[in-house]
Amino acid sequence: GAGVSQSPRYKVAKRGQDVALRCDPISGHVSLFWYQQALGQGPEFLTYFQNEAQLDKSGLPSDRFFAERPEGSVSTLKIQRTQQEDSAVYLCASSARTGANTGELFFGEGSRLTVL
Amino acid sequence: AQSVTQLGSHVSVSEGALVLLRCNYSSSVPPYLFWYVQYPNQGLQLLLKYTSAATLVKGINGFEAEFKKSETSFHLTKPSAHMSDAAEYFCAVSDQSGGSYIPTFGRGTSLIVHP
Repeated sequence: GAGVSQSPRYKVAKRGQDVALRCDPISGHVSLFWYQQALGQGPEFLTYFQNEAQLDKSGLPSDRFFAERPEGSVSTLKIQRTQQEDSAVYLCASSARTGANTGELFFGEGSRLTVL
Repeated sequence: AQSVTQLGSHVSVSEGALVLLRCNYSSSVPPYLFWYVQYPNQGLQLLLKYTSAATLVKGINGFEAEFKKSETSFHLTKPSAHMSDAAEYFCAVSDQSGGSYIPTFGRGTSLIVHP
């Protein structure tokens, strides 16, 4: 596709429900990032994939958060047993580059999660 | 560990006035620096980047930023603000201190442009 596509754009979950957020990066992009953006804050790093390999997951806040990219393209961020503090916009970004120029990111519009 | 500080959560200017958005970084190794812009209900877009070439970097929409190593700063400027510049601006730093180049973002500065 022309850009990074995320779905759903909006998700309301009851506390304790599991949710899955999908990211479809730009075709051919090697690097894929997930960030969490709380209201009024900057994006906070969650996890990073290079192709299908999850190279860094140090930002995942708890073991309730899980991400995968099995074929090196589409990625899914799963949150189990959602809590109110998980309410945020989840941003996916991809990059054609690795290494030093990885920071040239293309972002999706985000998935806004509200946990009641 | 790398970090970014953006001074001022909100900056308000009049249309036609100079825009200055401040960014200071902390990095133990030579960094790569970026400015992103986020318009309402849109994803972040890259404005410009510094990657150890020229210290004065020009970006899209008339924005530019200067890398000052001695001040650990990468402030964003535009000579004359336009109403369409109203948005959220994020500074980001990326270095290899953690093994991979993972961009770290600041908290953002909201630019308000008055007619």
